[in-house]
Amino acid sequence: AIQMTQSPSSLSASVGDKVTITCRASHGIRNDLGWYQQKPGKAPKLLIYATSTLHDGVPSRFSGSGSGSGTDFTLTITNLQPEDFATYYCLQDYIYPLTFGGGTKVEIK
Amino acid sequence: EIQLVESGGDLVQPGRSLRLSCVASGFPFENYAMHWVRQLPGMGPEWVAGITSRTGGAGYGDSVKGRFTISRDNAKNTLYLQMNSLRPDDTALYFCAKDRSPSAIQNNFDHWGQGTLVTVSS
Repeated sequence: AIQMTQSPSSLSASVGDKVTITCRASHGIRNDLGWYQQKPGKAPKLLIYATSTLHDGVPSRFSGSGSGSGTDFTLTITNLQPEDFATYYCLQDYIYPLTFGGGTKVEIK
Repeated sequence: EIQLVESGGDLVQPGRSLRLSCVASGFPFENYAMHWVRQLPGMGPEWVAGITSRTGGAGYGDSVKGRFTISRDNAKNTLYLQMNSLRPDDTALYFCAKDRSPSAIQNNFDHWGQGTLVTVSS
């Protein structure tokens, strides 16, 4: 199975900050990478699919990118808002079994 | 409004079986691939299984392959997960999730249920 290594596992940031989360795939996955946000007690929510396409209704302060290698991906949140404090997961949807990253918890500084 | 309502979670002994259900509403169920994802409290999600919209082609996570079977009844708008030979490490909250795009499976999950809890313990 493809391993997804996500970093950092946690970070502290302030409202208004820019935050960057990375995900590295153990093998090339083209651009088949999505990002999910999860808040305590809730199911994950889809933010981005196909590396950089924002899902319906997701604010434009969220963006995704890939290095072009098919292995390195980034989620960026600019102008961090109070409702953005949550845990974020990447998911490779290139090949079964689908695999999630370990998660990044974004906490208030 | 799209709704996914899971049921069937329970406390079961190791080695026993359990069947989860997920009733869907608010969208043309027969047009969308569906998935099961599980999660332990405080841990990351783990994809369990997915099934295509009409042909019923399925894929499974490595830890459940050969023990779990995903199926669907499009006439009843219901997704199932048959879980056999349950182990303590199958203990988790099980979510059903809808694929984002109709027809061709995309493996992006745009709607999720609230989850049903499975506990495997003697």
